[in-house]
Amino acid sequence: QVQLVESGGGVVQPGRSLRLSCEASGFTFNSYGMHWVRQAPGKGLEWVAVIWYDGSNKYYEDSVKGRFTISRDNSKNTLYLQMSSLRAEDTAVYYCAREGEALVGGFDIWGQGTMVTVSS
Amino acid sequence: SYELTQPPSVSVSPGQTARITCSADALSKKFAYWYQQKPGQAPVLLIYKDTERPSGIPERFSGSTSGTTVTLTITGAQAEDEADYYCQSADSSGTWVFGGGTKLTVL
Repeated sequence: QVQLVESGGGVVQPGRSLRLSCEASGFTFNSYGMHWVRQAPGKGLEWVAVIWYDGSNKYYEDSVKGRFTISRDNSKNTLYLQMSSLRAEDTAVYYCAREGEALVGGFDIWGQGTMVTVSS
Repeated sequence: SYELTQPPSVSVSPGQTARITCSADALSKKFAYWYQQKPGQAPVLLIYKDTERPSGIPERFSGSTSGTTVTLTITGAQAEDEADYYCQSADSSGTWVFGGGTKLTVL
């Protein structure tokens, strides 16, 4: 079935780096834009980044610009988020999400999330 | 980018109608999307392009729009509808934004 599975979360010290992965299955991965969305403990959803279906365009939320890099490997059906210079305020559950087809839009498929804790 | 404004909380009695609003000037030109999130779970797309409901979403969920405000309406709210609800829209710069979320209490 259509599925997204995140991995790579954990506890990391401030200033260090971490790479998240999101493996897709059950759909044609290279036909869809993909997003990262995060949710700090007890807080709301925050959009983080998007990458177009072919990787040609990437956009970021202002607070992660220059520190986070979104990428994808369509041959491996996998989305990535490389996070560097991590801060305490980056602590959150990170979700990957599929952007629906043009007739739908929105984020129609979500992973279960992976927790990132930035702490010394 | 811009902000989407939602009320922090809404309460409704079982069987009654709940309305959750989301406001921003940009919504007069941009589509809105609605998500439901229950504790410990990933969000679920409830409404797309202001008023459309994905397959599998109960008919009691509906969306409407008027000017700079979009509204999620739950007609005949059930206990299982108690959750956090988020509106979302896209910026013309390629970025996206979520509203702050509304906690719906059914009591």
